[in-house]
Amino acid sequence: EVQLLESGGGLVQPGGSLRLSCAASEFTFSIYAMTWVRQAPGKGLDWVSSISPSGDSTYYADSVKGRFTISRDNSKNTLYLQMSSLRADDTAVYFCARNWGDLDYWGQGSLVTVSS
Amino acid sequence: DVVMTQSPLSLPVTLGQPASISCRSSQNLVHSDGSTYLNWFQQRPGQSPRRLIYKVSNRDSGVPDRFSGSGSGTDFTLKISRVEAEDVGVYYCMQGTHWPRTFGQGTKVEIK
Repeated sequence: EVQLLESGGGLVQPGGSLRLSCAASEFTFSIYAMTWVRQAPGKGLDWVSSISPSGDSTYYADSVKGRFTISRDNSKNTLYLQMSSLRADDTAVYFCARNWGDLDYWGQGSLVTVSS
Repeated sequence: DVVMTQSPLSLPVTLGQPASISCRSSQNLVHSDGSTYLNWFQQRPGQSPRRLIYKVSNRDSGVPDRFSGSGSGTDFTLKISRVEAEDVGVYYCMQGTHWPRTFGQGTKVEIK
């Protein structure tokens, strides 16, 4: 069964940085695009970023462009989201998901709280 | 950006009765490869989203056949033929054709 396990969330001050990881298993990670989606407390789903299988193509929501960087290490079967200049409105559960047109598997999420 | 508009946003349903959720997109969702990347997700309370339907009408493995998806172009529908207690949650449509990807606001299904 496909597994996606996010980690790296926590409490960070406004303006701070954090890196999320998503460890993938039970599928050939290197041939799938991957995506980050977030959900603010009590709110709906919000697409954040996607990356191609090789990592040479990346896409970002306008709200995070220039502040967040998506990347992957296919040798480690791991997806990353480097977040900087964090703001209060970045507070959310961050999910990683497989694919980018049709998100077929999702992780359990990692909570990021931006607060002083 | 493609705006995805769901209705209704709240859907109280009697057990065993049908339910229908509409999702309309502000642009045609047919991709240049010919596919229409319209997905439906279910999020039960306290859980991660789970995909139910992909490419408009394809049901995922393990999804009960009481769930069905239909539509084309800019107008799509998720139907539950007979609502069961385990169907309580929020349902989202999402388009995967255009960048940026966008979700509908979500429809909360609850039992009357």
